[in-house]
Amino acid sequence: DQQVKQNSPSLSVQEGRISILNCDYTNSMFDYFLWYKKYPAEGPTFLISISSIKDKNEDGRFTVFLNKSAKHLSLHIVPSQPGDSAVYFCAASAGSSNTGKLIFGQGTTLQVKP
Amino acid sequence: ETGVTQSPTHLIKTRGQQVTLRCSSQSGHNTVSWYQQALGQGPQFIFQYYREEENGRGNFPPRFSGLQFPNYSSELNVNALELDDSALYLCASSPDPANYGYTFGSGTRLTVV
Repeated sequence: DQQVKQNSPSLSVQEGRISILNCDYTNSMFDYFLWYKKYPAEGPTFLISISSIKDKNEDGRFTVFLNKSAKHLSLHIVPSQPGDSAVYFCAASAGSSNTGKLIFGQGTTLQVKP
Repeated sequence: ETGVTQSPTHLIKTRGQQVTLRCSSQSGHNTVSWYQQALGQGPQFIFQYYREEENGRGNFPPRFSGLQFPNYSSELNVNALELDDSALYLCASSPDPANYGYTFGSGTRLTVV
């Protein structure tokens, strides 16, 4: 049972344009969401997070949007840069449990072309 | 010391054997979590340790066990290895269990033959 789904395995965009990565979840108990970025041969790196009490969180070129009614979140990267090429994972938690359990999606490979 | 380091980076074991993977957490991080990442999948939560006690466990059998030590190091032990245990094992540390902005290590690639 895949509680967090990233339905697009890959995405290719031109440098300078917007990249939009999508994520859907099924568990209504999830109240905290994160995006991680992973380069080959490295561990995932925390990128940005959002609590369920918000619908938007912004950090520089990265913005995460949360639509609780649709159980959907998205990561916008504007403008996209070649260095953003990586695998992006969304993750969710029932944060109040404090057990460290993050449920990850399968990942989306982003390629930003110069 | 900054960052999370894991050893070894690669490992090949035979089915039925036992393996110990090691992790050195970021200084000051008293919470460590272990994840298994199969090829083409996202990381899957194995368990978390906080102040040397298990603080949460995912859907993994008891042959997966762990230890956390006072010096910010930890271990993941897997007994009776199976072919399906072949995966990338990731260690992640954080200052406390409520902080999900983990610092991940680069992982240990385990191959069971």
